[in-house]
Amino acid sequence: DVQMTQSPSYLAASPGESVSISCKASKSINTYLAWYQEKPGKTNKLLIYSGSTLQSGTPSRFSGSGSGTDFTLTIRSLEPEDFAVYYCQQHNEYPLTFGSGTKLEIK
Amino acid sequence: EVQLVESGGGLVQPGRSLKLSCLASGFTFSNYGMNWIRQAPGKGLEWVASISSSSSYIYYADTVKGRFTISRDNAKNTLYLQMTSLRSEDTALYYCARSVITIAAISDYWGQGVMVTVSS
Repeated sequence: DVQMTQSPSYLAASPGESVSISCKASKSINTYLAWYQEKPGKTNKLLIYSGSTLQSGTPSRFSGSGSGTDFTLTIRSLEPEDFAVYYCQQHNEYPLTFGSGTKLEIK
Repeated sequence: EVQLVESGGGLVQPGRSLKLSCLASGFTFSNYGMNWIRQAPGKGLEWVASISSSSSYIYYADTVKGRFTISRDNAKNTLYLQMTSLRSEDTALYYCARSVITIAAISDYWGQGVMVTVSS
């Protein structure tokens, strides 16, 4: 199984700042990585898939990069609604596996 | 509007069974693969099972293989998860999620989830 190691587990930032979240796979997953956003009271949201493809409706301040085993989610100029928990998920092979999550909080 | 509404959760004793349902609306259910994903209290997301649009392809996590069965009824726009031999470690919020039509292994719409608690 592909293990996904996500870091940091916790991140504090202020609106307007930029942040990056890392996701590392235990073996190559090509570019097959997705990012999701989890917020209380809302359904989970697919942000990015295939490493860097923005899902329809995802604001352009979100970007994804990487290939092979190392991936990054970057959020530029944080908005108040961006403070949430973020998960990566590899979609290269079954079983599908998720990272452990990164909680992004307001500083 | 795409909607996924899970039901059937609750408190169940270890070793017993439970069947979850997910009623889909707002899209042509029979065209999409579907997934069950769970989240134990205070923990991250764990993929459970996936089924293709026509039920031709089914995948399970090793942790549930042999105990859980994913199925669907396209005429009823409903996804199911039959859970047997339940264990305390199956306690979680279970989400139903729709696969992206071109990439079955990612989920573009999620339900709110249904809680399953396995305890004596």
